[in-house]
Amino acid sequence: DSGVTQTPKHLITATGQRVTLRCSPRSGDLSVYWYQQSLDQGLQFLIQYYNGEERAKGNILERFSAQQFPDLHSELNLSSLELGDSALYFCASSPRTGAHRETQYFGPGTRLLVL
Amino acid sequence: GDSVTQMEGPVTLSEEAFLTINCTYTATGYPSLFWYVQYPGEGLQLLLKATKADDKGSNKGFEATYRKETTSFHLEKGSVQVSDSAVYFCALSDSSYKLIFGSGTRLLVRP
Repeated sequence: DSGVTQTPKHLITATGQRVTLRCSPRSGDLSVYWYQQSLDQGLQFLIQYYNGEERAKGNILERFSAQQFPDLHSELNLSSLELGDSALYFCASSPRTGAHRETQYFGPGTRLLVL
Repeated sequence: GDSVTQMEGPVTLSEEAFLTINCTYTATGYPSLFWYVQYPGEGLQLLLKATKADDKGSNKGFEATYRKETTSFHLEKGSVQVSDSAVYFCALSDSSYKLIFGSGTRLLVRP
């Protein structure tokens, strides 16, 4: 158990809908990262937050957005869903300082199926 | 941009065989390198890491050495077990600390 929690574990929805994925980082970690794992694209970085602020953006679609709240949990919002958005979405967190600040600890993921 | 290339899988071995999974990287700076493992139906677990050239990461019998001259970080284990069956991902951490992953290598160990 990495200490990173994600809800829900599974999500089934229809095209055109909007969903919200939630992540709670490990206690004390200020950085949160979101990744998408799909069969055709592999593991892709989406976005990073640090202490409530966006720090880096990757291959994130404009239909997707994220935020990190004062209690450090993060939410990834996916809207106008398409079949191709079906994937496993991971959240990871990392320590704020020190030699291990690059090490990311992953949650169990949310499996999204768009029908 | 930065990238990671892993050997294609699946890799099928008999129990107690020697394992090597090749990983090479391209990076502009001096990244940290990682191996993550994903067991069926689970998330990613950090297996080992190395933060500078010639560092050796090790954990649970797995080892990998950061080779700057060959830009490689090959994963090895002397004697694999059935329980090692999983997908292994090589990754680098770029200057913004985000991870760039290879495509993953599936390992299947037969009894």
